[in-house]
Amino acid sequence: GESVGLHLPTLSVQEGDNSIINCAYSNSASDYFIWYKQESGKGPQFIIDIRSNMDKRQGQRVTVLLNKTVKHLSLQIAATQPGDSAVYFCAENSNYKLTFGKGTLLTVNP
Amino acid sequence: NAGVTQTPKFRVLKTGQSMTLLCAQDMNHEYMYWYRQDPGMGLRLIHYSVGEGTTAKGEVPDGYNVSRLKKQNFLLGLESAAPSQTSVYFCASSYIVAFGETQYFGPGTRLLVL
Repeated sequence: GESVGLHLPTLSVQEGDNSIINCAYSNSASDYFIWYKQESGKGPQFIIDIRSNMDKRQGQRVTVLLNKTVKHLSLQIAATQPGDSAVYFCAENSNYKLTFGKGTLLTVNP
Repeated sequence: NAGVTQTPKFRVLKTGQSMTLLCAQDMNHEYMYWYRQDPGMGLRLIHYSVGEGTTAKGEVPDGYNVSRLKKQNFLLGLESAAPSQTSVYFCASSYIVAFGETQYFGPGTRLLVL
């Protein structure tokens, strides 16, 4: 079956730096993609999503980029803060169901 | 507005025992989901429901059953627990499945099967 994967399992950045988390997907039929943040001991929390006919979408301090040519998704976090430390998952929606990637652990060093 | 709640928060079972995990949402959502999360595996869909009285299999349904007798509740049952079912279980709900509509997740249930 189709799968969603992540390039890097861990990412460590300095406070104030920008973070980029990457994700590869394989289902070309997925109609939109979502990024979730999961803090330790909590459920995933929605960050931002992007439709398959978009290249870029911006939120507050976050930007998601979609490159359908190479089936790649990225999440950019500007001015990363200690509170951004968490596991970040990408997910793709197809046939009304989400398929999640394995996650990237982001650690922000003060 | 409590969002999505899960009961219990933590449970230890012996192999062969049965139990039911309860998920409740107070947002009048049509769609509800059960996922399991294992280290290095991300979240995998077990079963889901697109409305009261309906259920469907997800990616890893074997060993689990579900029921959606009331719109606000989605129950996940383990008839005969196995150590392979040790995991963290998350329930989620959404109004619809579409761009811009997010799934809201509960806090999770940690299950240990000995």
